[in-house]
Amino acid sequence: AQSVAQPEDQVNVAEGNPLTVKCTYSVSGNPYLFWYVQYPNRGLQFLLKYITGDNLVKGSYGFEAEFNKSQTSFHLKKPSALVSDSALYFCAVSRTSGNTPLVFGKGTRLSVIA
Amino acid sequence: DTAVSQTPKYLVTQMGNDKSIKCEQNLGHDTMYWYKQDSKKFLKIMFSYNNKELIINETVPNRFSPKSPDKAHLNLHINSLELGDSAVYFCASSPSEGGGIYEQYFGPGTRLTVT
Repeated sequence: AQSVAQPEDQVNVAEGNPLTVKCTYSVSGNPYLFWYVQYPNRGLQFLLKYITGDNLVKGSYGFEAEFNKSQTSFHLKKPSALVSDSALYFCAVSRTSGNTPLVFGKGTRLSVIA
Repeated sequence: DTAVSQTPKYLVTQMGNDKSIKCEQNLGHDTMYWYKQDSKKFLKIMFSYNNKELIINETVPNRFSPKSPDKAHLNLHINSLELGDSAVYFCASSPSEGGGIYEQYFGPGTRLTVT
C-alpha cells in the first residue's frame, strides 16, 4: 500500500532563511508525489508534483522539491521563507497511474517568524 | 471564476438529521472526489467518480451516498448524522485524458458540525 510520512508536526523558521519540510514515501511501483498547501479556512492548493525526470521539481510561489529515490524522500524546500508562507503543508502520493485518489501525509505546520 | 465550488461552506445540524453538500467544477474535468479532513487535519479519500460513475468507495458507511448527476457535479448526501461525522469535507476534481498524472483541484471545503 502507498503511504507518505511527514515526520515533523511543526517547523519554525525565521523570515529570509531557507526552509525544508520533510516527506518520505513508501510505494510499490513508480512514485507519483505531490505537495499541497492549506491556508487557514481554505482548500488545498497544489504546489508541485514529481512524475518522472529531473529530481529537482520547481513549483508555485518559489517552492521546489527534491526527489531522492535511494532515501525515498521528497522534501519541500524554499531558499528564502516569507511570513506569508506560514500554512499547513501536505505531502501526498498517488496510488497508481491515472487519476486515482491521493494518499496524504498528516501535514506539517510551517511558521515563518518575522 | 471559482474552479471548484462547494455549498454550503458551513453546516451545523443535530444528530440524526439528513443533510447534503453540493460540489460543482467548471474546469471540464471528468474525475471528481470527496475527501474528509478530521479535527487533527488528517485527510482521507471517501469517494471517487469518473464520468458520473463511482470508481472508489473507501469503506465509508452507507449513510454516505454520493450522487453525480453529470460530470461537473458530485453531491454528498449524509443520512442519520452522527457526532463523528463532524469534519471538513473537501470536493476535488482532476482531468484524466491520456492516462497522465494530474494534480487535483480542491474546493474551499464544507465544515460540518453535528451537535
